[in-house]
Amino acid sequence: GAVVSQHPSRVICKSGTSVKIECRSLDFQATTMFWYRQFPKQSLMLMATSNEGSKATYEQGVEKDKFLINHASLTLSTLTVTSAHPEDSSFYICSADPTTARTQYFGPGTRLLVL
Amino acid sequence: DAKTTQPPSMDCAEGRAANLPCNHSTISGNEYVYWYRQIHSQGPQYIIHGLKNNETNEMASLIITEDRKSSTLILPHATLRDTAVYYCIVRAYSGGGADGLTFGKGTHLIIQP
Repeated sequence: GAVVSQHPSRVICKSGTSVKIECRSLDFQATTMFWYRQFPKQSLMLMATSNEGSKATYEQGVEKDKFLINHASLTLSTLTVTSAHPEDSSFYICSADPTTARTQYFGPGTRLLVL
Repeated sequence: DAKTTQPPSMDCAEGRAANLPCNHSTISGNEYVYWYRQIHSQGPQYIIHGLKNNETNEMASLIITEDRKSSTLILPHATLRDTAVYYCIVRAYSGGGADGLTFGKGTHLIIQP
């Protein structure tokens, strides 16, 4: 199957700082990538849809000014958590969809801990 | 996307077939059935998907009932590494592109040695 990578895998930051998470499709191009968040013992929740060359689409309740998404190329989307607070601590996961496969493939996830 | 219903947990003995059920009684004609699994602290892994015919790949088999209102994922010879949360998701593919997935609570499959 297609491969999606994320960097970093784990990050610890101080409250008030910003953190950038990268999502890359390694062996295919993706005009659309997705960002999910997963809190402990809960299921994945879609946060936003990242569109190459245009603005991201955010799900209801997700602050677009707090979670900045940039999809600068067909293989890279970034999620920046701005002014992070402890309640932003979570497991962030991206996915991408090779349009020929009709299937989404997920990255390994990034665990964010805000102190 | 249609809603799915799965049992919260199941046990299966190592080496036996694991059969995971999923109900999707409101599925539409253009919606596919997808199965993913998530091993602890990892991103979800794609397993298999189908529309109306049964499907098989190197990981699993997917059996979809004729009325498409339910399906079963079969892991033919379960190993300890198959312990994970398994998600059944139904979704359509629109001509305009892909949409994000809606995850339910899934089934926590525990393989017993």
